[in-house]
Amino acid sequence: GQSLEQPSEVTAVEGAIVQINCTYQTSGFYGLSWYQQHDGGAPTFLSYNALDGLEETGRFSSFLSRSDSYGYLLLQELQMKDSASYFCAVRDHPGGSYIPTFGRGTSLIVHP
Amino acid sequence: DADVTQTPRNRITKTGKRIMLECSQTKGHDRMYWYRQDPGLGLRLIYYSFDVKDINKGEISDGYSVSRQAQAKFSLSLESAIPNQTALYFCATSPGQGGPGANVLTFGAGSRLTVL
Repeated sequence: GQSLEQPSEVTAVEGAIVQINCTYQTSGFYGLSWYQQHDGGAPTFLSYNALDGLEETGRFSSFLSRSDSYGYLLLQELQMKDSASYFCAVRDHPGGSYIPTFGRGTSLIVHP
Repeated sequence: DADVTQTPRNRITKTGKRIMLECSQTKGHDRMYWYRQDPGLGLRLIYYSFDVKDINKGEISDGYSVSRQAQAKFSLSLESAIPNQTALYFCATSPGQGGPGANVLTFGAGSRLTVL
């Protein structure tokens, strides 16, 4: 079976740094993605990690440790517009088969 | 215009009715997916298709069927809708193997379905 665990809710204040964790148990692993979804909107892609380490894209960074079956999304200099749900998703099929399995999502609430 | 367009955006129907949700894309992607989203449950895969002749069941395909009419069109049908199919439905696309953004899904705006 497959399972992804992420916290259901995280709160933080504007300007702070927040980390959203994701642990996974899957039969195969080929990469971890993160998506952002504002209330009622479409999920949008943030990052993809296939190898261990930190990937930085502006204020957002994503980290992967395959040996620990663990990754996180780091959001710096939080802004009110970062209030949204964040989903981790595992690619557990090899080759060209991108069929991601999503976690249940973390609701990030940013306070002034 | 949006890269991935879903119609209708909102639909209210009654138990037992047949419903079709349509998805069209202008991205030229080979791969198309239908996901269902329920509060607190994330996105769950219903069906996916890697080209026009390829249809595959996902995690929760029971009660649903799909048709890939063309590379750009992928429709989801509920043959006899029931209340627990009330949910937000998303269509998504991705490029073929090895292409730029191969590990990226582009989602439509969603179709909110209510079954009474």
